[in-house]
Amino acid sequence: RKEVEQDPGPFNVPEGATVAFNCTYSNSASQSFFWYRQDCRKEPKLLMSVYSSGNEDGRFTAQLNRASQYISLLIRDSKLSDSATYLCVVNEGNQFYFGTGTSLTVIP
Amino acid sequence: DAGITQSPRHKVTETGTPVTLRCHQTENHRYMYWYRQDPGHGLRLIHYSYGVKDTDKGEVSDGYSVSRSKTEDFLLTLESATSSQTSVYFCAISASSRGANEKLFFGSGTQLSVL
Repeated sequence: RKEVEQDPGPFNVPEGATVAFNCTYSNSASQSFFWYRQDCRKEPKLLMSVYSSGNEDGRFTAQLNRASQYISLLIRDSKLSDSATYLCVVNEGNQFYFGTGTSLTVIP
Repeated sequence: DAGITQSPRHKVTETGTPVTLRCHQTENHRYMYWYRQDPGHGLRLIHYSYGVKDTDKGEVSDGYSVSRSKTEDFLLTLESATSSQTSVYFCAISASSRGANEKLFFGSGTQLSVL
């Protein structure tokens, strides 16, 4: 059983659309949660941390549901530059566990 | 961007040869990690370090060893490379394993091909 599971997609959406990604994690003792963005052949980069109260950064909103053990990322008003793979990451003590990523392509 | 340098960026080697990948950081972060990334598997932890000379195994540590003799350097060694170790290798650093400073920052990666 994988620690972190994501729908791999691909998600193909038109510019301006709203798109949501979900991620589930298996360990209820997980402590911290993140969304990373990875462009093709590049390293993952931190997009945002995810807090229990939910948090927003511009067009991006992240939410955590500890009871159901899932994390979500909402992207509003999608831009062409949002095309990338989005990785869900969960921290358990000294280790970080990654989902396989969800591929997003924003179409003109 | 966090000061993390991986070398080499690309490496082609033959089965059975030893290979060492280097990760160098200028952030003075305590924690350093080596991951490999393969299609369908995402990023998987190979080994990590929580201080000089302090290392521990991750989920895919077989066939790999690490060393950390200085805070800034973390070396990953494939003692005898196999084709199954063809992958993209990422080094990452973190100031802490938990709390506000626990975020991971990645190097640019090393593409390793074992023929």
